Amino acid sequence: GAVVSQHPSWVICKSGTSVKIECRSLDFQATTMFWYRQFPKQSLMLMATSNEGSKATYEQGVEKDKFLINHASLTLSTLTVTSAHPEDSSFYICSARNPGEGAGDEQFFGPGTRLTVL
Amino acid sequence: GENVEQHPSTLSVQEGDSAVIKCTYSDSASNYFPWYKQELGKRPQLIIDIRSNVGEKKDQRIAVTLNKTAKHFSLHITETQPEDSAVYFCAATKGKLTFGQGTILTVHP
Repeated sequence: GAVVSQHPSWVICKSGTSVKIECRSLDFQATTMFWYRQFPKQSLMLMATSNEGSKATYEQGVEKDKFLINHASLTLSTLTVTSAHPEDSSFYICSARNPGEGAGDEQFFGPGTRLTVL
Repeated sequence: GENVEQHPSTLSVQEGDSAVIKCTYSDSASNYFPWYKQELGKRPQLIIDIRSNVGEKKDQRIAVTLNKTAKHFSLHITETQPEDSAVYFCAATKGKLTFGQGTILTVHP
């Protein structure tokens, strides 16, 4: 398998502040990572695809200026929620594919970050 | 883009019974179909997957079938146990994952 970590596991912030979430591939290099958002009792929705060394690709309806993604190395992608508001409260999960494992299709998920905006 | 529909949204079975969850997808180019189990507040856990060049795959009590012509795939869990209770998601991908809406499975002792 492959291990993906996320930090922090939970965060509470005030409305208007920015929050950074880190996603790391611990035992493999990931040229591509994915960021998902999951609201309570709902499915995972892909927000964006994070590409090492280039700009992220955002899904339709996701504001790129609000959800800043940086993938500066082969093991780290960060998601910054800027000017967070209560409606941004959600469970944010990252994933990565390990091209060296099998056919490279499987995505390995981080443990998620619970964001609560007051 | 891809669209994945999952049914049923909730499924309640008695311990020892079988459970079946069905999904359909829209993009014939999708070639990888994983199934995930997610417990509350935790990451999705891959339980089985199937690729488009295979029609069926089994791993102990869990099996998945794929009908490429009809664009649907199903998860079969036999001899269910209370610890199988969780939310199950299907997904389809050709590069990026599109998830189904999820099925809350409850296995009663």
